[in-house]
Amino acid sequence: SQQGEEDPQALSIQEGENATMNCSYKTSINNLQWYRQNSGRGLVHLILIRSNEREKHSGRLRVTLDTSKKSSSLLITASRAADTASYFCATDNTGFQKLVFGTGTRLLVSP
Amino acid sequence: DAGVIQSPRHEVTEMGQEVTLRCKPISGHNSLFWYRQTMMRGLELLIYFNNNVPIDDSGMPEDRFSAKMPNASFSTLKIQPSEPRDSAVYFCASRGDRSSYEQYFGPGTRLTVT
Repeated sequence: SQQGEEDPQALSIQEGENATMNCSYKTSINNLQWYRQNSGRGLVHLILIRSNEREKHSGRLRVTLDTSKKSSSLLITASRAADTASYFCATDNTGFQKLVFGTGTRLLVSP
Repeated sequence: DAGVIQSPRHEVTEMGQEVTLRCKPISGHNSLFWYRQTMMRGLELLIYFNNNVPIDDSGMPEDRFSAKMPNASFSTLKIQPSEPRDSAVYFCASRGDRSSYEQYFGPGTRLTVT
């Protein structure tokens, strides 16, 4: 079963613009992670935010978490064509490693 | 490090045949996960192991699916008999110790059952 629903399903922007993706989930979580998947490849971990954190940064990535709304957002600033990929949120409800992935957002960054 | 290794990368088989997918996790990682990805159902966790022991197999769809991890460096996912609805990309992922939450994914095996 899928825990997270992501919005939008697809996003098309120009290089240099910011991209924002949202994830909503249903149950309480221990942590929430974001992964990237390039076409035909495996997923790559981007960033993790714990349930007691509200915001986290890593390079051009900014993640927020609102546990009261059961939602998270991923912001990619100054996007590049190489950021073109699908982005998934994944929730860990128990802290015991079992991740439940969202439906994903397909991001297309045009040069 | 070579990362998580999966074989084969592509598998085409006929309905009713046995299919075995293989995974070599990153050396030193003690957790291993099998996922299935389809357009309809997205990415689903099938089973995961910790220190070679199956911890949660609630995602295994049917008795036709079985997974083993005979040692820390090898795992198999077997489908017998295979059906067309098993067509999907199967990913293996591994994770380090409990202080690390990040999962490292292999390149996947694309299975087509005709």
